[in-house]
Amino acid sequence: AQSVAQPEDQVNVAEGNPLTVKCTYSVSGNPYLFWYVQYPNRGLQFLLKYITGDNLVKGSYGFEAEFNKSQTSFHLKKPSALVSDSALYFCAVTSWGSSASKIIFGSGTRLSIRP
Amino acid sequence: DGGITQSPKYLFRKEGQNVTLSCEQNLNHDAMYWYRQDPGQGLRLIYYSQIVNDFQKGDIAEGYSVSREKKESFPLTVTSAQKNPTAFYLCASSGQGPSGANVLTFGAGSRLTVL
Repeated sequence: AQSVAQPEDQVNVAEGNPLTVKCTYSVSGNPYLFWYVQYPNRGLQFLLKYITGDNLVKGSYGFEAEFNKSQTSFHLKKPSALVSDSALYFCAVTSWGSSASKIIFGSGTRLSIRP
Repeated sequence: DGGITQSPKYLFRKEGQNVTLSCEQNLNHDAMYWYRQDPGQGLRLIYYSQIVNDFQKGDIAEGYSVSREKKESFPLTVTSAQKNPTAFYLCASSGQGPSGANVLTFGAGSRLTVL
């Protein structure tokens, strides 16, 4: 069975500091991994994905994520946080070759950037 | 513009009533999904469909039903059997190919409140 864990309900960071939002996963087979962001009263927007290849993936708004197979993790990072990054972030997973493409999300992490 | 349209945006229902949430996409995507979002629980998968006239149960399908008679449409019915239907419901779709596969485009959501 697929599962995703986001161990932190909330992450607080000062503007200009680096940020990390954690995600660990469990799938049978090779994973497809994703990060999405949700701003208040809006739908989710795609940030980035890992399919194969380079373990460091770059995405929208200066975000990046590092795939670590041995630790089954896919943490979201940004070198310098902006107040406008404050939002709810979701990690998601599915597996290669899954004809059903069942995509499972984590519980979400609220990122709060203080000026 | 291509996208996903969910309606209604807000819906109030009395206990014991069935309600149907509409989801229409003009992205020519094959796969469509329904998720439920509750505070602190993230997004949970209700149903998903890879092709017309075929759909699969997600992790919390009990009390819900769907149909996929057209590629563009994937309506969700919340039945009276759903014990706690008050939630925010999100519809999504995904395309095919190396860049689009499994990347979800979300609608703006429908908020259902049971009175």
